[in-house]
Amino acid sequence: QQPVQSPQAVILREGEDAVINCSSSKALYSVHWYRQKHGEAPVFLMILLKGGEQKGHEKISASFNEKKQQSSLYLTASQLSYSGTYFCGTDLGGGGNKLTFGTGTQLKVEL
Amino acid sequence: KAGVTQTPRYLIKTRGQQVTLSCSPISGHRSVSWYQQTPGQGLQFLFEYFSETQRNKGNFPGRFSGRQFSNSRSEMNVSTLELGDSALYLCASSSKTGTTEAFFGQGTRLTVV
Repeated sequence: QQPVQSPQAVILREGEDAVINCSSSKALYSVHWYRQKHGEAPVFLMILLKGGEQKGHEKISASFNEKKQQSSLYLTASQLSYSGTYFCGTDLGGGGNKLTFGTGTQLKVEL
Repeated sequence: KAGVTQTPRYLIKTRGQQVTLSCSPISGHRSVSWYQQTPGQGLQFLFEYFSETQRNKGNFPGRFSGRQFSNSRSEMNVSTLELGDSALYLCASSSKTGTTEAFFGQGTRLTVV
């Protein structure tokens, strides 16, 4: 089942902060975050694993609540380059690279 | 190093035809996953290949198939195309199978008329 992302869309002024949430009805092994700009390929941001391990870019901050099957992506001091659609992908474990992606959160950063 | 290469970038096919899409992963990467992206359904997992073996499969009909060659290049085939197959097909390359970063290609935009 597809994870639910919120909000669906958000508009920020440059320098403002935002939080994007991802919620699943199933127990998760890991949560993956990607950003896709219009007409471009999705780009990896971060992986959060069960047990607390994180892999990703230093400037990206995220959390993973294993008990609630929820993850949040924190975007602070937003820049114009942060604009795009953010997807969370959930992995139930069992091996392999199989992600179930949410429908995305459209983020627009304006001057 | 070179990124993930998908060919062709754009394709127009007629309903009932079949199509083959190609994906060349990053050099050294052995895992290739395929996703279908549509405005309504978002990104949906099709299948993953690792070392020429299908590791995982999504919930798509048997008309969707794939394979991986010894050089890790992968192809995806869709037979008996339907209008609903119109989508962006994305290929993702990873160095290993399992919980790891994936690098996506630019995709192949398939339009079925």
